[in-house]
Amino acid sequence: EVQLVQSGAEVKKPGESLKISCKGSGYSFTSYWIGWVRQMPGKGLEWMGIIYPGDSDTRYSPSFQGQVTISADKSISTAYLQWSSLKASDTAMYYCARQIQLWYDYWGQGTLVTVSS
Amino acid sequence: QSALTQPASVSGSPGQSITISCTGTSSDVGSYNLVSWYQQHPGKAPKLMIYEVSKRPSGVSNRFSGSKSGNTASLTISGLQAEDEADYYCCSYAGSSTYVVFGGGTKLTVL
Repeated sequence: EVQLVQSGAEVKKPGESLKISCKGSGYSFTSYWIGWVRQMPGKGLEWMGIIYPGDSDTRYSPSFQGQVTISADKSISTAYLQWSSLKASDTAMYYCARQIQLWYDYWGQGTLVTVSS
Repeated sequence: QSALTQPASVSGSPGQSITISCTGTSSDVGSYNLVSWYQQHPGKAPKLMIYEVSKRPSGVSNRFSGSKSGNTASLTISGLQAEDEADYYCCSYAGSSTYVVFGGGTKLTVL
């Protein structure tokens, strides 16, 4: 069974760093792109970027380029999304999802990130 | 402002059919047959309902169908059921620079 399991909810202060994770199982993790999607409170889905764990090839949305870093450790079938300096506006639910060609067939349960002083 | 334009809300009665539109441009929806649709219930992760404009993943009811004409894609749900009440998002490939864009989402209410 394909599963993407994300790390738990985080509460951080502005300026702090954060790395959240997405662990894949039940399929060849290195053979599929993993995407990250943001959903701000009460808002829609926003595509952030993707990574191919096989070779760590990464693409970013122009809106998120330079704001976050996407990485992966194929040895433990885990993808990451990280911030070096969080802002209140980063408060959102973040989803990882497995990409098949150009759509997303399996999704993680989401990680809620709250940034507040 | 979202890259793909969807109506904020649609509604229908049980048993009826509804259609949700998703309007993009010649740089995304109009250029690629790579439109997908996702259903999201409150507090849940999105679920893939349609891919490649009109294909249904295994396990998705055949009450859901997709189509495209020019720069506009559409999701039609026939025989509305209470469980269909959710938010729906379209998504399209948008070329190698922007890559992927989502619509703003449509809230479906089953009356």
